[in-house]
Amino acid sequence: KNEVEQSPQNLTAQEGEFITINCSYSVGISALHWLQQHPGGGIVSLFMLSSGKKKHGRLIATINIQEKHSSLHITASHPRDSAVYICAVMNSGGSNYKLTFGKGTLLTVNP
Amino acid sequence: DGGITQSPKYLFRKEGQNVTLSCEQNLNHDAMYWYRQDPGQGLRLIYYSQIVNDFQKGDIAEGYSVSREKKESFPLTVTSAQKNPTAFYLCASSISGRANEKLFFGSGTQLSVL
Repeated sequence: KNEVEQSPQNLTAQEGEFITINCSYSVGISALHWLQQHPGGGIVSLFMLSSGKKKHGRLIATINIQEKHSSLHITASHPRDSAVYICAVMNSGGSNYKLTFGKGTLLTVNP
Repeated sequence: DGGITQSPKYLFRKEGQNVTLSCEQNLNHDAMYWYRQDPGQGLRLIYYSQIVNDFQKGDIAEGYSVSREKKESFPLTVTSAQKNPTAFYLCASSISGRANEKLFFGSGTQLSVL
């Protein structure tokens, strides 16, 4: 079973700061998801990537397959970015769609 | 707008009672999933379905049951056999359930025991 570790568990930033959230996993994967969970509980998919880098607005996600590591970056952070960010991985060679989720990183951005 | 609707938002269960959580999607997705979220833990898969009238157990299926009679609907029943049902339950869907598909989530149901 893949072990997914996120760091930090909690992160507090001032508005405008550059944010980095990290995700490491133990076994080879076919894809990695970054998800955002707002205080109300609903989850939104931010990125899905299997190599390289993706950018959407102020969010950037990178993955290094060899190092089994991914990062989510937020540039010019804003209080509305406050949420739990969750990393999830899909193991290579799996015949069923099963994700292993990290425990999440709670981000608080203060004005 | 297309999306996933979960209801109710909050649900209370009495001892020995079965309760059913609703999940409906209008995204025309074949694959649907139920996850359980506990504080301080990652989401865990309860059941998933990749086609109507077929579903598979996930990692923590004991004490739960599902049905998939319609493509749009994937209700989850928390039975009296589930001794620790208090948790946040999330329903999700994807196009077909293959790898590298984006997941779409509902807003969740918080289940508590009276």
